[in-house]
Amino acid sequence: GAGVSQSPSNKVTEKGKDVELRCDPISGHTALYWYRQSLGQGLEFLIYFQGNSAPDKSGLPSDRFSAERTGGSVSTLTIQRTQQEDSAVYLCATRRGVGNTGELFFGEGSRLTVL
Amino acid sequence: AQRVTQPEKLLSVFKGAPVELKCNYSYSGSPELFWYVQYSRQRLQLLLRHISRESIKGFTADLNKGETSFHLKKPFAQEEDSAMYYCALRTGNQFYFGTGTSLTVIP
Repeated sequence: GAGVSQSPSNKVTEKGKDVELRCDPISGHTALYWYRQSLGQGLEFLIYFQGNSAPDKSGLPSDRFSAERTGGSVSTLTIQRTQQEDSAVYLCATRRGVGNTGELFFGEGSRLTVL
Repeated sequence: AQRVTQPEKLLSVFKGAPVELKCNYSYSGSPELFWYVQYSRQRLQLLLRHISRESIKGFTADLNKGETSFHLKKPFAQEEDSAMYYCALRTGNQFYFGTGTSLTVIP
């Protein structure tokens, strides 16, 4: 497809379970970001991938959160031992790459509900 | 450090009235600023960026370095402008977003 694709669109899980959220970037976009969108909190940066460089993990809220990007394309955000406060919409965004003033293109998000 | 501040969480205006969504930023270098919009049940998308100095859907935003502001304005609000608006600052490869303003245009 032409846009950033995220799956699942909705995920309901029980506290303590692990979840994986997937992001398929726009073809050719080397930069990939994960954000968390919560009511009243805006967009909270989680992690950033650029090509083959080491990711910027400075926004990950705890060691329960991790992310991978395989082959510079698809990315997976994993949340282990989920807590109720992890409930939010997780957004993936991509852009063409370093040095360009290009915009971020967002996916539709994965809404996570932890019961 | 809070880099982007949007002081209004909620803003309501009547159709046809002027609207201004406030955004202030904190950055010592040359900023690159954006407004993103999220309409109901749609993905977040770029509305405009300051370097383009463009008007999109009747909206404009001027960068005021003295006041470190990038307020979004439209002279005559329309119902279809009802949405969530986010101001964003790009520094290097990092994008910082404000907490957003939910705009409701009352018919």
